[in-house]
Amino acid sequence: AQSVTQPDIHITVSEGASLELRCNYSYGATPYLFWYVQSPGQGLQLLLKYFSGDTLVQGIKGFEAEFKRSQSSFNLRKPSVHWSDAAEYFCAVGAEDSGYSTLTFGKGTMLLVSP
Amino acid sequence: DAGVTQSPTHLIKTRGQQVTLRCSPKSGHDTVSWYQQALGQGPQFIFQYYEEEERQRGNFPDRFSGHQFPNYSSELNVNALLLGDSALYLCASSLPASGIYEQYFGPGTRLTVT
Repeated sequence: AQSVTQPDIHITVSEGASLELRCNYSYGATPYLFWYVQSPGQGLQLLLKYFSGDTLVQGIKGFEAEFKRSQSSFNLRKPSVHWSDAAEYFCAVGAEDSGYSTLTFGKGTMLLVSP
Repeated sequence: DAGVTQSPTHLIKTRGQQVTLRCSPKSGHDTVSWYQQALGQGPQFIFQYYEEEERQRGNFPDRFSGHQFPNYSSELNVNALLLGDSALYLCASSLPASGIYEQYFGPGTRLTVT
């Protein structure tokens, strides 16, 4: 069975500083990988996805993520964080036996942005 | 283009009661998945409906059941509520047959069991 680990429960970043959120996955085949963001009291918004091809993928709101098969990682990055980026971030892997249409999520990383 | 909608927004129930949550998928989507998100946790897959049938199921007891209607909307039913069922219930829609596998999530229903 697939699994996702997000090692950092909380991260605090100063506004304007760069950001990297870690995600490691366990899956037997080529994974479909996603990053979602959740603001308080809200549902999940898709930031970006990796299906195949270029291992560096661009998403919305200036986020990018790099798929590294050798490290089983799919880390999320942003060069300059804005206060509005404060939210909870979830990494997820798609399950092959369902046509990649069900997701296994990590426990999330809460991003705090300091002034 | 309306996104995924869910009702109600919040719900308070007593242990042992039954609850029904509702979801309307994004326009054009035919597959609906339900997830449970406990406080401080990531969402956990409950089940998925396609063509009015349960296609996939996660590790949840039979107290959790669902239904999909011909217009692709869906219901999640939970019987004999336990305190541990308190969570945010998220509905997601997708269109896997199109080759686009991302899921679009609704705002969720916050269920509190007392």
